Amino acid sequence: EPEVTQTPSHQVTQMGQEVILRCVPISNHLYFYWYRQILGQKVEFLVSFYNNEISEKSEIFDDQFSVERPDGSNFTLKIRSTKLEDSAMYFCASSENQNRGYTFGSGTRLTVV
Amino acid sequence: GENVEQHPSTLSVQEGDSAVIKCTYSDSASNYFPWYKQELGKGPQLIIDIRSNVGEKKDQRIAVTLNKTAKHFSLHITETQPEDSAVYFCAASRGFKTIFGAGTRLFVKA
Repeated sequence: EPEVTQTPSHQVTQMGQEVILRCVPISNHLYFYWYRQILGQKVEFLVSFYNNEISEKSEIFDDQFSVERPDGSNFTLKIRSTKLEDSAMYFCASSENQNRGYTFGSGTRLTVV
Repeated sequence: GENVEQHPSTLSVQEGDSAVIKCTYSDSASNYFPWYKQELGKGPQLIIDIRSNVGEKKDQRIAVTLNKTAKHFSLHITETQPEDSAVYFCAASRGFKTIFGAGTRLFVKA
């Protein structure tokens, strides 16, 4: 069964450093998303991406965040200057079209120290 | 803003019993309602979904109901098994955005 692949599985970074989280969505999917989940809490929407541009973003997705699809397969989330409160599990997801279920990756656990 | 409320936060049932999880949503433009199961250390996995033009949908031991007027939707799991133990999330979607509930941790005791 097709999978969404995320790397790395765990990233530890110093506060103030930039991090890039990487995702390979399912190849025939056209819609891409990033969500985050602080330990034990709800899954929070960050951003959706379609046709090489951001479709929608949440209040969490401020100027410190950016997304990119640098080639035909990767989808990345960059956090420019990490804060302690950015520590969370970050999930990438993709879907064939709107209003279809998402396929999630296994997540990247980001720890900011 | 959009919000999805989910209850209960924790649910413990005996194997073979039924489990019911309830959600309400605030955005009346939501038209698609997926349910996800999350096991420890994994991403959420879609288990069933329902669209706004349907009131009920069933897939083996799992069923979902939707009351659009009341903005309520529910997940029903019958004949629960230990492997059903996980965190379950409801979600409400419109367009490019899906909002998740806070999750229900289901324990099925053997």
